Amino acid sequence: GQQLNQSPQSMFIQEGEDVSMNCTSSSIFNTWLWYKQDPGEGPVLLIALYKAGELTSNGRLTAQFGTTRKDSFLNISASIPSDVGIYFCAGRHSQFYFGTGTSLTVIP
Amino acid sequence: DGGITQSPKYLFRKEGQNVTLSCEQNLNHDAMYWYRQDPGQGLRLIYYSQIVNDFQKGDIAEGYSVSREKKESFPLTVTSAQKNPTAFYLCASSPQAGGPIQTQYFGPGTRLLVL
Repeated sequence: GQQLNQSPQSMFIQEGEDVSMNCTSSSIFNTWLWYKQDPGEGPVLLIALYKAGELTSNGRLTAQFGTTRKDSFLNISASIPSDVGIYFCAGRHSQFYFGTGTSLTVIP
Repeated sequence: DGGITQSPKYLFRKEGQNVTLSCEQNLNHDAMYWYRQDPGQGLRLIYYSQIVNDFQKGDIAEGYSVSREKKESFPLTVTSAQKNPTAFYLCASSPQAGGPIQTQYFGPGTRLLVL
C-alpha cells in the first residue's frame, strides 16, 4: 500500500516558535486529514481538508490542501509544551493512506 | 459520551494462540477499519467494513480475521498464522462508506505483545 512522504521526521523547537510540516504524495487525493497522537494513545483528528487550495484553522493550527492535490501543509503557531506529540497526515482517494509522522518536541 | 472504545488496552499472546481485539462505536458510523501501527511506519490497513455483514481485506490482511455482525462492533482476531503480531492496533470509523466528505476517527488502541 502507498505511504505518504512526511517531513520533517522530527523537530526540536523552543516554546513560542512556529512549526511547519508537510506531506507529499505521488497520487492525487480528494481529502487530507491531520492528526496528533500522544504515546500509547489513538490519533486525534485536528483538521480535515476537502478541496484543493482550502486553508483551514483550528486555534493555533492551520492546514492547507495543496493546489496540486498531491500535498498538504500543517503549521502550528506559538508552540506550547502540550503541543508535544507525533503529527501525521492522511490522504484519501479510494482509501486512506498515512504519513510516517513528525515527532515534535517543545523545549520550555 | 460518543466515541470509539477498544479493549483491552494491553493484550498478551502466547505462541499458537488466537486473540480477539474488541472495537465498539456509538457514533452511528457506517464504516469501520482496523489498522496496524509499527514504529517508524505509517498506519497500514488490515480490514475494513462499509456495511454490516460485509468486509474487505486491506493491505496486510494475512493472519487476521474480522466480523461485522452489528453496526456498532468490528472485532479483530489475530490468528496464529500472523507470525509477527506485536504492534499497536487501531480501530477507526467513518460516518459514511462513500461520498465526497470522508473523515476517520480513531479509538484509543490496543497494544498486542507476544510472550
